[in-house]
Amino acid sequence: GAVVSQHPSWVICKSGTSVKIECRSLDFQATTMFWYRQFPKQSLMLMATSNEGSKATYEQGVEKDKFLINHASLTLSTLTVTSAHPEDSSFYICSAEEQGDRNQPQHFGDGTRLSIL
Amino acid sequence: KNQVEQSPQSLIILEGKNCTLQCNYTVSPFSNLRWYKQDTGRGPVSLTIMTFSENTKSNGRYTATLDADTKQSSLHITASQLSDSASYICVVREGGSYIPTFGRGTSLIVHP
Repeated sequence: GAVVSQHPSWVICKSGTSVKIECRSLDFQATTMFWYRQFPKQSLMLMATSNEGSKATYEQGVEKDKFLINHASLTLSTLTVTSAHPEDSSFYICSAEEQGDRNQPQHFGDGTRLSIL
Repeated sequence: KNQVEQSPQSLIILEGKNCTLQCNYTVSPFSNLRWYKQDTGRGPVSLTIMTFSENTKSNGRYTATLDADTKQSSLHITASQLSDSASYICVVREGGSYIPTFGRGTSLIVHP
């Protein structure tokens, strides 16, 4: 089945560092990728929707200058957390949709646990 | 504002027992409803998808129902196993924009 690879799976870094998270669709072309944030025992919160070749659409309250999203190809989207601080510590998950069929499931990566010291 | 409400928030059952999880939504217009299983520290995995015309759909021990009139869905798990311990998330997609709205999930713990 369709696989989404997310890398890295775990990051620990100092406050002020910028962190880049990659999301790749391994065996399908993903027109649309979603980025989520999840706090412990909470559901996924949609941060932004990215479409290949265009600017990402951010949800209300998400700082686009803080969370930079690039979707340069049909198989890769990146989320960069700029100048990360402890409050940015969270579980970040991406998902990708196959081109053309909105009834296909979102295929999720296994998430990136980000810890800012 | 589109909302998806799930109940119960958490559930503990004994191995072998059945259980039913509920999902109520206000998303409109409706495109589809999907149940996902999320193991701890992993990404969600799709269990079933329900479109407007579907009432019941099974996937092994998982059976989902949809009542589009009352905007309710349920996920029934039969003969639970320890590996069923996870968070179950109901996601409803809006017609047209296809924006997904996530429920908070039901945390299921299956005890031996």
